[in-house]
Amino acid sequence: KNEVEQSPQNLTAQEGEFITINCSYSVGISALHWLQQHPGGGIVSLFMLSSGKKKHGRLIATINIQEKHSSLHITASHPRDSAVYICAVGETSGSRLTFGEGTQLTVNP
Amino acid sequence: KAGVTQTPRYLIKTRGQQVTLSCSPISGHRSVSWYQQTPGQGLQFLFEYFSETQRNKGNFPGRFSGRQFSNSRSEMNVSTLELGDSALYLCASSQHENLYEQYFGPGTRLTVT
Repeated sequence: KNEVEQSPQNLTAQEGEFITINCSYSVGISALHWLQQHPGGGIVSLFMLSSGKKKHGRLIATINIQEKHSSLHITASHPRDSAVYICAVGETSGSRLTFGEGTQLTVNP
Repeated sequence: KAGVTQTPRYLIKTRGQQVTLSCSPISGHRSVSWYQQTPGQGLQFLFEYFSETQRNKGNFPGRFSGRQFSNSRSEMNVSTLELGDSALYLCASSQHENLYEQYFGPGTRLTVT
């Protein structure tokens, strides 16, 4: 079992739909990161969470430390949101990130 | 502020050769982490440096090594290249230790033939 699991692996949505990507982890963490990777490889850090909820534009990230679960929501999705979304956790025991396998999101016009 | 820069962006090497990749962090950032991304294994942590000290290392063979200079710039070296080393190598910088928000560079695409 991977330490960080994401679901779904692939997601196709119509423009305007509300999207949720889930991340579950099995280790103690100091923080959880949501990353976005566009074709060509560039990675952008969207959020870093250690508790609660953060919002940036149409993106919302939540984390439940007790349940070891985080969700990334995209409201009013747009084709430009099409990318791979990656969950990564920073373990309390060290200074490394462990990554989920990513969720490929495709938003059709 | 300029972002994280990595050089070169693309590289083709032959099996058995060695390669050095460079990462310049955002000005003022003292932590640099390196990651390998392959289609089969996804993103994997290689190592992290803070103030010229390697603080953590991932599960990679000793052919993979790195260092950080006093100006926080970092290099990673892979010796005796294997076909499986073909990957996107990403570095990320952070202002603080303990993995606060990381800023990723564009990556170096290494192809080993």
